[in-house]
Amino acid sequence: AQKITQTQPGMFVQEKEAVTLDCTYDTSDQSYGLFWYKQPSSGEMIFLIYQGSYDEQNATEGRYSLNFQKARKSANLVISASQLGDSAMYFCAMREGYGGANSKLTFGKGITLSVRP
Amino acid sequence: SQTIHQWPATLVQPVGSPLSLECTVEGTSNPNLYWYRQAAGRGLQLLFYSVGIGQISSEVPQNLSASRPQDRQFILSSKKLLLSDSGFYLCAWSPVGGANVLTFGAGSRLTVL
Repeated sequence: AQKITQTQPGMFVQEKEAVTLDCTYDTSDQSYGLFWYKQPSSGEMIFLIYQGSYDEQNATEGRYSLNFQKARKSANLVISASQLGDSAMYFCAMREGYGGANSKLTFGKGITLSVRP
Repeated sequence: SQTIHQWPATLVQPVGSPLSLECTVEGTSNPNLYWYRQAAGRGLQLLFYSVGIGQISSEVPQNLSASRPQDRQFILSSKKLLLSDSGFYLCAWSPVGGANVLTFGAGSRLTVL
C-alpha cells in the first residue's frame, strides 16, 4: 500500500483565492511527521510546512496551513490568498518514527497547482 | 547558514558511460545525506542515505552506487549508465534529530541516450 496518496491530478485556483491540496497517509507508527514541499518549474524542492503527529494544533507558516486530521490520516495543505508564484508542483511527505540518524522521508506523487490571474 | 551544492546541473551521457554526481553541504557537521531520483512527472524515490562517513544505505537495487568520502560530501556514481537511469537527481541533507526537515540541492538533470 502506498504510504502517501495524492490523488488530485491537477488543481486550478483564481489568484487571491484559497486552495486545498489533499494528502492522505498510511502508517502504523504512533510517532511520525508530515511535510509539504513545493517544486517550481526550476526543479528545486522548497520546504513549506511541517506537522508532528503529537502536535495538537494545526501547523501554520504564513499563507500555508496544514489541516491535520489524525483519525482520517489526512494532512491537507491550505494555501490562502493564492499568488501567481504559487503555481508549482506540491508534494506531501511523511517521516515514520522519531527523527534521528536513520530517518527518511517518503514522498507522494505530487499535485500540480496552477494559479490563474 | 547552511548551504547545499549539487553539480553538474545538467548532464547528457551515452548508454554505457560512467556517471558521477557530487553534492556538498556547508555550514553544518555530521548531516544526514540523501540521494533521491524523480522520473518525469513522478514523485521522489529515495535511492541512498548516509548517516556518516563511509556509511551508505541503499533503498532500491539498481545500477547506481553512492559514497561519502568526507563528512559533508555525497557522491552518486554508476559504472555503466542505462537508459532507465535518466531522471532528475536531488541531493538533500537534514540535521541529526529533530523533525528531519530535508533541505534539497538544486538538482541534476541526467539524460541517457
